[in-house]
This record gives sequence, structure tokens and C-alpha cells, in this order.
Amino acid sequence: GQQVMQIPQYQHVQEGEDFTTYCNSSTTLSNIQWYKQRPGGHPVFLIQLVKSGEVKKQKRLTFQFGEAKKNSSLHITATQTTDVGTYFCADRGSTLGRLYFGRGTQLTVWP
Amino acid sequence: DGGITQSPKYLFRKEGQNVTLSCEQNLNHDAMYWYRQDPGQGLRLIYYSQIVNDFQKGDIAEGYSVSREKKESFPLTVTSAQKNPTAFYLCASDRGRTTGELFFGEGSRLTVL
Repeated sequence: GQQVMQIPQYQHVQEGEDFTTYCNSSTTLSNIQWYKQRPGGHPVFLIQLVKSGEVKKQKRLTFQFGEAKKNSSLHITATQTTDVGTYFCADRGSTLGRLYFGRGTQLTVWP
Repeated sequence: DGGITQSPKYLFRKEGQNVTLSCEQNLNHDAMYWYRQDPGQGLRLIYYSQIVNDFQKGDIAEGYSVSREKKESFPLTVTSAQKNPTAFYLCASDRGRTTGELFFGEGSRLTVL
């Protein structure tokens, strides 16, 4: 089945440092969605990228979709303790109803 | 308020017992999903349903069963055949199209004693 690789698995940063998580696939991605799961919580949708080379921003978060639609990234500028959680990328794939999730990047922010 | 309700939030069961996790949504979504989450494993799809009275196996369906008799409801039964059932179970729904966000319930944490 389709595989979406996400790295790194863990990231520890000092508050104020930047953070990036990467999502890669050997096949062309359909559309990429990003989710955030706070500790003890459930995943919450952040954004969806559909077009090749697309860049979207949400305050300190920048999402990119690669030109070849085989990778995506989430960059957080100047992390805050509220950014703590696990960030997942997911691809819709070609099968209706299937959303293929990466394993997630668990972000810890030290004050 | 619209949303997805999962119950129970915490559940303990003895080995050899079946247990059913409830998932109800009032978002009028066509599609519903069950995911299992283990530490470091991400989200793995158990079953999904695009329409009432129809459902498909996901990547780890063995030892689980579902039903979709109503649009709003998608219960998951963890049977005694599931060899390692202790996990966090997440129910989700969406409009069932090729784009659009997935809405998750708050999850059910199952512990087998």
C-alpha cells in the first residue's frame, strides 16, 4: 500500500527555536493534509495542500508542497510551549476514503 | 454543536472478552473511519465506511468487526481474536470525497488486563 514517510520521529527544541518536520513519498502524493495532536488529545486538522509547489501560512506555521508532489514540510518559526504535540502528515491517495498517515513527529518545547 | 462522540473514554477488559466501542456523529458525514494508535506507530486504519450498510477493511482489520446500520453510527467491536488489543482507538468522519478534512472523536483507551 501507499507509504508516507515522516521525519524526524522526535524533535526537542528550546522555546524560540525553529522546527521543521518532513513528509516524503516514493509516489506522487494526491493532496497532503497536516494534523496536530496535543498530548492526551485527538488529531486536529491544520491545513490541506493540493497544488504542486503550494505554500500556505498560518501565523508562525508555514506549509509547503513540493514541486513534484512527492514531499511536504511544516515549519514552525520561533516555537512556543503551546506548539507541543505530535504533527502528522497524511495523503488522500488514489482510493476514495483512504487517508495514509505518516508516523508523526513528536515535538517537545523546553521553556 | 456538531461533532463526533466516542464512548467510553476508558475501558478495561479481561482477555477473551469482546468489547464494543461506540462512535456517533451529527455532522451529516457520509464516511466514517476507525483508527488505532500505538506509541510511535502513528495512525493505522482498521475499517472505514463510505456509505450506510457498506464498509471496507483497512490495514489492520484482523480481530475487529464493524457495522454501519445508520449514517450517524459506526461501532467497532474488538473481539477476543485480536491478539494485542490494548491501544488508543480513534473514530473519525468526513464528507467522503477526495479532499476535505477528517474530524476525529476524542478517542477510547482500551486496556486489556
